[in-house]
Amino acid sequence: GESVGLHLPTLSVQEGDNSIINCAYSNSASDYFIWYKQESGKGPQFIIDIRSNMDKRQGQRVTVLLNKTVKHLSLQIAATQPGDSAVYFCAENKRDDKIIFGKGTRLHILP
Amino acid sequence: EPEVTQTPSHQVTQMGQEVILRCVPISNHLYFYWYRQILGQKVEFLVSFYNNEISEKSEIFDDQFSVERPDGSNFTLKIRSTKLEDSAMYFCASSATGQGNNEQFFGPGTRLTVL
Repeated sequence: GESVGLHLPTLSVQEGDNSIINCAYSNSASDYFIWYKQESGKGPQFIIDIRSNMDKRQGQRVTVLLNKTVKHLSLQIAATQPGDSAVYFCAENKRDDKIIFGKGTRLHILP
Repeated sequence: EPEVTQTPSHQVTQMGQEVILRCVPISNHLYFYWYRQILGQKVEFLVSFYNNEISEKSEIFDDQFSVERPDGSNFTLKIRSTKLEDSAMYFCASSATGQGNNEQFFGPGTRLTVL
């Protein structure tokens, strides 16, 4: 079956350090991935996406890496700030337009 | 910046009662979705809707669920006879296009509590 999941439910990072959140997927035919951020009491918010014809994509302070060989996805957040505290989901956007979410990693920022 | 809105923010109901969750998608979007998130779990797809009909639905979306676009702005999710296990956050989303290549924008959610 389809599966997108994260390795760790919780990650604590010192403010100012870089954060790396990992995700694995099972379907080798998957070709479009998205990272979402969900703050408390809010809906998922799009952060960055990547297609399978790429292995890296950069945004503002965020980078997504895709390793198709081992079916692994990561989100890197540079210079983590208090406002980055949230639950982060990796997700696959299927060709039939539904989004399959992973379980989420809660990112804690330590002062 | 345009956004998806949802009402109410919190709905409490008795088991067996009908509830209607309301959403106003972004105005020029054509594709609409409902997702749910049981407390502490991942967000799950329920249904997608385009051109006044359901495009796809998940196993969760059984005969107790229905969706409707009653006018040009609202998109609703109805649960006919709520069960305890329907307690969850329900998120509406919309996108300009479908086919898995366009960003879906999520609303803030409605927390449904079934007693």
